[in-house]
Amino acid sequence: SYVLTQPLSVSVALGQTARITCGGNNIGSKNVHWYQQRPGRAPVLVIYRDTNRPSGIPERFSGSNSGNTATLTISRAQAGDEADYFCQVWDSSAVFGTGTKVTVL
Amino acid sequence: EVQLVESGGGLVQPGGSLRLSCAASEFIFSRYGMNWVRQAPGKGLEWVSVISGSGESTLYADSVKGRFTTSRDNSKSTLYLQMNSLRAEDTAIYYCAKNLLPASVSHDSFDIWGQGTMVTVSS
Repeated sequence: SYVLTQPLSVSVALGQTARITCGGNNIGSKNVHWYQQRPGRAPVLVIYRDTNRPSGIPERFSGSNSGNTATLTISRAQAGDEADYFCQVWDSSAVFGTGTKVTVL
Repeated sequence: EVQLVESGGGLVQPGGSLRLSCAASEFIFSRYGMNWVRQAPGKGLEWVSVISGSGESTLYADSVKGRFTTSRDNSKSTLYLQMNSLRAEDTAIYYCAKNLLPASVSHDSFDIWGQGTMVTVSS
């Protein structure tokens, strides 16, 4: 089965840029979606099909995907961005990444 | 406001059964594929199943195939998950989630999620 690997944690200073990677075999050939999950809350879609933001998601969130790595970038990080982030693709089934906890210092 | 509300969770013994419901509002339910996604305590997200808008097509994760059945009643804008032969490892919060695009079944993102309902399998 297809495996998506994310770093366990990423720390970012307030106002700086955080980059969260999602590794998978030839992931650049797939559509990658990203979700934010704050503690005790349901996930929220923040990026779909590699680079697209749903309405209501700040422009500070952006995505890219190439080769074996997709990346979610959070610019000008805010305290409210502290959350777990999951990447997701479809293979023979929907697959989620292992998740990354983002801490804003 | 587009909304999904799950219900039906609870405590069940190993080997038992439970049926979850997900009530949808403020969108044309029959046009969208719907998913179940679960999250074990302190763990990541695991996709469980998807059903097409018409209800004619379903896909399941290998971990639940043959034990879980997803269905929908479009007249009631409600999604269901029938869970049989439950195991301890099925303990999780179960979320329903709507596909982003109409008419898609698989290969889509999930743009609306419910608040989740907790299922605990324990003796």
